[in-house]
Amino acid sequence: AQSVTQPDIHITVSEGASLELRCNYSYGATPYLFWYVQSPGQGLQLLLKYFSGDTLVQGIKGFEAEFKRSQSSFNLRKPSVHWSDAAEYFCAVGGMEYGNKLVFGAGTILRVKS
Amino acid sequence: NAGVTQTPKFQVLKTGQSMTLQCAQDMNHNSMYWYRQDPGMGLRLIYYSASEGTTDKGEVPNGYNVSRLNKREFSLRLESAAPSQTSVYFCASSELWQGQETQYFGPGTRLLVL
Repeated sequence: AQSVTQPDIHITVSEGASLELRCNYSYGATPYLFWYVQSPGQGLQLLLKYFSGDTLVQGIKGFEAEFKRSQSSFNLRKPSVHWSDAAEYFCAVGGMEYGNKLVFGAGTILRVKS
Repeated sequence: NAGVTQTPKFQVLKTGQSMTLQCAQDMNHNSMYWYRQDPGMGLRLIYYSASEGTTDKGEVPNGYNVSRLNKREFSLRLESAAPSQTSVYFCASSELWQGQETQYFGPGTRLLVL
């Protein structure tokens, strides 16, 4: 069965510092990978997705993620965090073997210190 | 485009009461989904509908029913609410791209069952 692990429940970074949020997945075939962001009281917004091709994927709001098959990882990065990036971030995995449904990680809450 | 809309935004129920959560999308998507979000558990799929006229169970369907009224609308019904159904409920719809569905989420319905 597919699963997604986000090892960090909370992360705190200073404004202007770099950010990396970890995501590891377990999936038998080629996964489809997503990162979503949820601001307080809001729904989930798609940041970026990986289906195939270049393993470094660019998303909205200056985020990027790198697919590393050997490490079963899809970590989200941002070179310089802004206070408005404070939110909860969810990694998700999907694939054709599972009817294209998504399995979500438990989420990582990002706090930004000024 | 409004995207995915959900009503109501908030609801308080007593144990045993029934209610229907409404969801509509204006993106002409075929697939629609209902999730619940609980702290530390990410999003869990309740039901989904791959196309108009079809519905299937997800990970946590017990205590819920759904209706795909037409292509735009997908409702979730709680026949006899229980405190364990206190949660935030998200509806999503998806578009097919390169063989994989990409999901877009509504703003959520916050439900408290007393």
